[in-house]
Amino acid sequence: DGGITQSPKYLFRKEGQNVTLSCEQNLNHDAMYWYRQDPGQGLRLIYYSQIVNDFQKGDIAEGYSVSREKKESFPLTVTSAQKNPTAFYLCASSIRDRGQTGANVLTFGAGSRLTVL
Amino acid sequence: DQQVKQNSPSLSVQEGRISILNCDYTNSMFDYFLWYKKYPAEGPTFLISISSIKDKNEDGRFTVFLNKSAKHLSLHIVPSQPGDSAVYFCSGTYKYIFGTGTRLKVLA
Repeated sequence: DGGITQSPKYLFRKEGQNVTLSCEQNLNHDAMYWYRQDPGQGLRLIYYSQIVNDFQKGDIAEGYSVSREKKESFPLTVTSAQKNPTAFYLCASSIRDRGQTGANVLTFGAGSRLTVL
Repeated sequence: DQQVKQNSPSLSVQEGRISILNCDYTNSMFDYFLWYKKYPAEGPTFLISISSIKDKNEDGRFTVFLNKSAKHLSLHIVPSQPGDSAVYFCSGTYKYIFGTGTRLKVLA
């Protein structure tokens, strides 16, 4: 079955540590995204990538870093510079980017919940 | 600057009745609007979309209406079923923006 796999599902981190969240897709999608969900704030875009070796900052990129070395993979690193990292993180992918016609439907993974102790 | 707003954080509806979820937007750059449904501890799943040049799109029990002059869209679910209980997000395709979500509870 095609889809997006996020790991780990739950992660605990001590303050000052960097952690990396994995996102892998086998949908052959070009574009990939990272969102953060906090209670009452919906989904906020952290980073997105429309093609391998290229990515752009979203609305809340500070304290995060990404890489896109392979089409299938878009890992997110939550650095110690992120002031409030406890949240639910969602990775998504899409077959089209916003430059093409048609609705850009995102397919989401199941999410990773990060808790800072 | 929240460009897509869902002003109702929650909604309760009796089974079999109509559920109406609302969304307002401020940016006329959106060319498509999408609704997603999300269950707890899962990722959102796509539900229905509408082009900015249309005013209605229907898919089974789900209909989305777009009022461009009011910059308002709504999702109608009829009849509502207990399995529809979830959080619903509206989204605009410009800058991949999502609203804050509305939690729908369908009472049996």
